Amino acid sequence: GNSVTQMEGPVTLSEEAFLTINCTYTATGYPSLFWYVQYPGEGLQLLLKATKADDKGSNKGFEATYRKETTSFHLEKGSVQVSDSAVYFCALRRIQGAQKLVFGQGTRLTINP
Amino acid sequence: GAGVSQSPRYKVAKRGQDVALRCDPISGHVSLFWYQQALGQGPEFLTYFQNEAQLDKSGLPSDRFFAERPEGSVSTLKIQRTQQEDSAVYLCASSPNPQGWGNTIYFGEGSWLTVV
Repeated sequence: GNSVTQMEGPVTLSEEAFLTINCTYTATGYPSLFWYVQYPGEGLQLLLKATKADDKGSNKGFEATYRKETTSFHLEKGSVQVSDSAVYFCALRRIQGAQKLVFGQGTRLTINP
Repeated sequence: GAGVSQSPRYKVAKRGQDVALRCDPISGHVSLFWYQQALGQGPEFLTYFQNEAQLDKSGLPSDRFFAERPEGSVSTLKIQRTQQEDSAVYLCASSPNPQGWGNTIYFGEGSWLTVV
């Protein structure tokens, strides 16, 4: 079946630190991969996506590269800000059939000033 | 509306009560999804509608869960005889194209259900 495994949280960093949140997946075929973010009191928002191997998704200083050989899609940011504090979800979506998303368990990130 | 709207935002139900959760998707969106998010977990798929047709209900956990979208816009998720394990956030999402193909899926803020 399809599944996503994320680095367990919570993760606490100081402002301007480097961030990595690991994500690996298991899927049949070649899924599209996503990172969603949930800020306090808000709904899930798409942060970035990649639809094929070696694609790099990027947004708001965050990046993730679709690595087929390691079935990974790690989220990185070079210098985090307090406003990045949120819960981050890695997800996959098959390219055939129903377009439902399969999510990881989420990683809570807290950035201290 | 500007985004996916869900109501009520918060619901406390006594065990055994029936509840109904409403989703108003972005106007014109063909695809509508329901997800269940337990505390500390990622969302899990419940069901999918393409217009008024429920094409996938493989994620509904039991026959106590029922969803409808009779006119292809607003959707209602109904839970009968609620149990404590039903306590979760119920997320609705919509997308412009069938099956959500090629488009961003937009999520509502969720309905928080607590069963006591």
